[in-house]
Parts: sequence; C-alpha cells; structure tokens
Amino acid sequence: SQTIHQWPATLVQPVGSPLSLECTVEGTSNPNLYWYRQAAGRGLQLLFYSVGIGQISSEVPQNLSASRPQDRQFILSSKKLLLSDSGFYLCAWGGQLSNEKLLFGSGTQLSVL
Amino acid sequence: KQEVTQIPAALSVPEGENLVLNCSFTDSAIYNLQWFRQDPGKGLTSLLLIQSSQREQTSGRLNASLDKSSGRSTLYIAASQPGDSATYLCAGGYNNNDMRFGAGTRLTVKP
Repeated sequence: SQTIHQWPATLVQPVGSPLSLECTVEGTSNPNLYWYRQAAGRGLQLLFYSVGIGQISSEVPQNLSASRPQDRQFILSSKKLLLSDSGFYLCAWGGQLSNEKLLFGSGTQLSVL
Repeated sequence: KQEVTQIPAALSVPEGENLVLNCSFTDSAIYNLQWFRQDPGKGLTSLLLIQSSQREQTSGRLNASLDKSSGRSTLYIAASQPGDSATYLCAGGYNNNDMRFGAGTRLTVKP
C-alpha cells in the first residue's frame, strides 16, 4: 500500500531564515506529487506540483520553491522566509487516473516569527 | 474561474442524527469530486471519490452524491457519532493536476 511521509510536524523559524520541508512516498512509482498550503479556516491552495523527476510547476508566484531530486521525494524550500509564509503545509500524492484518490501527508505547521 | 463553496462553515448536531454537508462548484467540467476528513492539526484523509461519470459513492455510514448539471455534491452521514467530529472538505478535480478545495465544514457531534 502507498504511504506518504512528511516532516517535521512543526517548525518555528525566524524571518529571513531558510526552509526545507521534505516529503517521501512509498509503495508507488512515478507519482504526481503536490505541495499545498492551508491558511486557518480556509481551503487548500496548490503551491507546486510535479509529474516527474526535475519537473516542477508553480501555481502562484511566491517566496517558495520546490524540487524533485528523486522519483519519490519532493522538497519545499525557501532561501529567506517571510512572515506571510506561516501556515500549514501539506504534501500529497496523486495517481494519473480519475479514479485515484489524493493521499496526504500529516502536514507541517510552520510559524515564522 | 473554478470555485468550490461549502455551506455551512460549521455545524453542530446531537449524536445519532443524520446529516448532510453541501458542496457547490462553479465549473461543471469536473473530472472527479472527492470528500476529505481533516482532524485538527492533521493531514487530510480521503473518504470518497466520485468520478464524473458516476452519481454517488458509499462507504459505511457515508454516502456522497454528485450532480454535475447543478454543480452540487452532498455528503450524507448516517447515525452520526462523536468520533465523526472533524472538518470535512470537498475538492473538485478538473484534471489530474488541478484540484479546487472548499474551505470545509467543521462538524461537531455532541454526545
């Protein structure tokens, strides 16, 4: 069965510091991978998605970047965090077909102070 | 613009009650519709997925329906239990890389 690992669970970082969140998937190959951000009381906003190694699409202009160095690894990064980067970050795995569910990691609560 | 709306934002019911959560979407060219459950501070768990060619899906006490022509989906929860308390989100898939999420309905089931 497919599992998705995301860490850390919580992170407190000062403004201007770098960021690296990691997500790995097991039990599947060539997955579509996603990074979402969830603001309090709001729906999820898609930040990045990747259909393969080195292939990254960005949905919104922002202070963040993503990389996919391996098939089952997806990394969210920033060189210098802003206060507005605070939020709940979720990694997700999705299949290629319309009948495949989206599988989410446990999330990272990021607080930028 | 593809938007997904969930009403109400919060709902409180006594244990044992049957309830319906609503989801509406502006673009009927939907690929699939998923319902998720989210516990506080946790990731999302997929409950049900309805493909665009289907009308409903059932899992245990949960039943989700999809009406593309009216742009609506409902999640029916039978015989609610305190353990059902969580936030429920719906998401419309417009292809395999574009899902639009509603803001969710926060459900509280009182013992």
